[in-house]
Amino acid sequence: DAGVTQSPTHLIKTRGQQVTLRCSPISGHKSVSWYQQVLGQGPQFIFQYYEKEERGRGNFPDRFSARQFPNYSSELNVNALLLGDSALYLCASSLDDIPSQPQHFGDGTRLSIL
Amino acid sequence: AQTVTQSQPEMSVQEAETVTLSCTYDTSESDYYLFWYKQPPSRQMILVIRQEAYKQQNATENRFSVNFQKAAKSFSLKISDSQLGDAAMYFCAYRSAMDSNYQLIWGAGTKLIIKP
Repeated sequence: DAGVTQSPTHLIKTRGQQVTLRCSPISGHKSVSWYQQVLGQGPQFIFQYYEKEERGRGNFPDRFSARQFPNYSSELNVNALLLGDSALYLCASSLDDIPSQPQHFGDGTRLSIL
Repeated sequence: AQTVTQSQPEMSVQEAETVTLSCTYDTSESDYYLFWYKQPPSRQMILVIRQEAYKQQNATENRFSVNFQKAAKSFSLKISDSQLGDAAMYFCAYRSAMDSNYQLIWGAGTKLIIKP
């Protein structure tokens, strides 16, 4: 079975632009979470979606938004990009919205802002 | 708010030896889960081991085991018979069992170097 897939792998944008990152969860997984990992740090939680509803939001500005589609895939959108948005963006999926279930991660999207 | 601290930015160990990575956390909750994840240069975060706070017994997965001290809020990872493939960043993470927002809260990571 395919794992969590993210696209694109690497993206270069300039300040002020907008970006959309995509994530396909493991087949059958209904929960998707997004994390931002700045170089040299641990990931920071951005969003969690379950059954197309937002279940959690981290301490990120409104420039960050996300959604989940009926097939459980998800998109993360970031508007008005800043240099500080440069990071690895990780998507994770789990079967359900249960805390005991481990999250399975994709390879991430490396976003570079010039 | 919960926090996770990994005080060792980098650790090195000789191949085939044993190494222990430290993790402490702060929480007022009694029910939660703790995880160790491994992130090799390939970037994918891989689950190494999981511990339920309500279980006294320390979790074990092959060469990986934890020392979970709930009262001390400590959750260290022991890697036995270290292999070259173990070289990676290791992250400790916490997840509440009581909050509706089941986010993972992460430490800053420990870089593990394996010397051949």
